[in-house]
Amino acid sequence: AQKVTQAQTEISVVEKEDVTLDCVYETRDTTYYLFWYKQPPSGELVFLIRRNSFDEQNEISGRYSWNFQKSTSSFNFTITASQVVDSAVYFCALNTYNTDKLIFGTGTRLQVFP
Amino acid sequence: EAGVTQFPSHSVIEKGQTVTLRCDPISGHDNLYWYRRVMGKEIKFLLHFVKESKQDESGMPNNRFLAERTGGTYSTLKVQPAELEDSGVYFCASSQEEKGGADTQYFGPGTRLTVL
Repeated sequence: AQKVTQAQTEISVVEKEDVTLDCVYETRDTTYYLFWYKQPPSGELVFLIRRNSFDEQNEISGRYSWNFQKSTSSFNFTITASQVVDSAVYFCALNTYNTDKLIFGTGTRLQVFP
Repeated sequence: EAGVTQFPSHSVIEKGQTVTLRCDPISGHDNLYWYRRVMGKEIKFLLHFVKESKQDESGMPNNRFLAERTGGTYSTLKVQPAELEDSGVYFCASSQEEKGGADTQYFGPGTRLTVL
């Protein structure tokens, strides 16, 4: 069975703080894909990143970075120097080569205060 | 390039009524998906079209839900008759390649359905 766990329901930080959102996944498939989506207050789901199971390199995009560790089945997301505009619900998701549907975690609500 | 669009953005109906949601995928995307988020829980898969064919409808909750994708373009999701537990946000997503598991799904803004 596939499963994604986002244990942090809600995180509050003050602007300029760094924050890490945790994501732990479960799958028996050897080929799989991990995603992060952002849902701002306006409601749409915005794609942030996709990683495949064969690529464990960490990725950095501006203030965003992702740490993929197969040994702990984790795909954590760090925002450096957070800003108010980062306030949103962030979803981690998984799909595998054998299934097209995304399995989502329950989401982490991030509130960044000025 | 236009993104995935959904109509309406909000719908409020009474129990027992019928509602039809529409999704227009990104042009050229063969794969179209419906998902639903109920009561602040996780976003759950409903079904997947490849062009006009239903590839996987394992997530459809019951036979009150009917999805169509005529001509492999836009899709509709009809709920008839609606029940209170159908309230939630319905998301549509699309992706480009036929084997969708390898590709990124791009989501629409969702339709918030409230059943009173």
